[in-house]
Amino acid sequence: AQSVTQLDSQVPVFEEAPVELRCNYSSSVSVYLFWYVQYPNQGLQLLLKYLSGSTLVKGINGFEAEFNKSQTSFHLRKPSVHISDTAEYFCAVSKTSGSRLTFGEGTQLTVNP
Amino acid sequence: DTEVTQTPKHLVMGMTNKKSLKCEQHMGHRAMYWYKQKAKKPPELMFVYSYEKLSINESVPSRFSPECPNSSLLNLHLHALQPEDSALYLCASSQEASLNYGYTFGSGTRLTVV
Repeated sequence: AQSVTQLDSQVPVFEEAPVELRCNYSSSVSVYLFWYVQYPNQGLQLLLKYLSGSTLVKGINGFEAEFNKSQTSFHLRKPSVHISDTAEYFCAVSKTSGSRLTFGEGTQLTVNP
Repeated sequence: DTEVTQTPKHLVMGMTNKKSLKCEQHMGHRAMYWYKQKAKKPPELMFVYSYEKLSINESVPSRFSPECPNSSLLNLHLHALQPEDSALYLCASSQEASLNYGYTFGSGTRLTVV
């Protein structure tokens, strides 16, 4: 089975500061990795995904993530955040052959002025 | 059309009521999913339909009954729910029942059981 650990439940930052949201995963088979964002009272929106190839993945809204197989990590980064980035961020994993997404517990990013 | 549309957005129901949640997509996706999300928690998988057939049921109580009438439509029929079933119910779809393309989620139905 796959599992995901998001290392920080809450991350407060100031506007225009850089941010990193940390995600580690565990799996005995090859996986796909995803980051989703959820704004209040909304569904989840896909930010980016890693399937194969380049370990640096660029997504929407200026976010990027780096897949590190040796450290089983998939951390999400943004060089300069905006107030509008305040949301819950979920890291998720699936087997390459599966249809089931397993989510981490989420990280609440709060961007303060 | 790149959206998954869920109706209603909000639903309040009594424990003896019968209601249905509806999910629709017109992206040609052949896999559709129901997730349940409690406050401050990640979504939990309930059901997966692949090519209109139920492929995964995550041991969900029978008071939740899914239905996939066609490739664009997914329903969740609710009957005799409990207050602890109050949650955000999310529908999602994907191009195939594998996740090369990720999921597209709807905005959810906020269900309150009284």
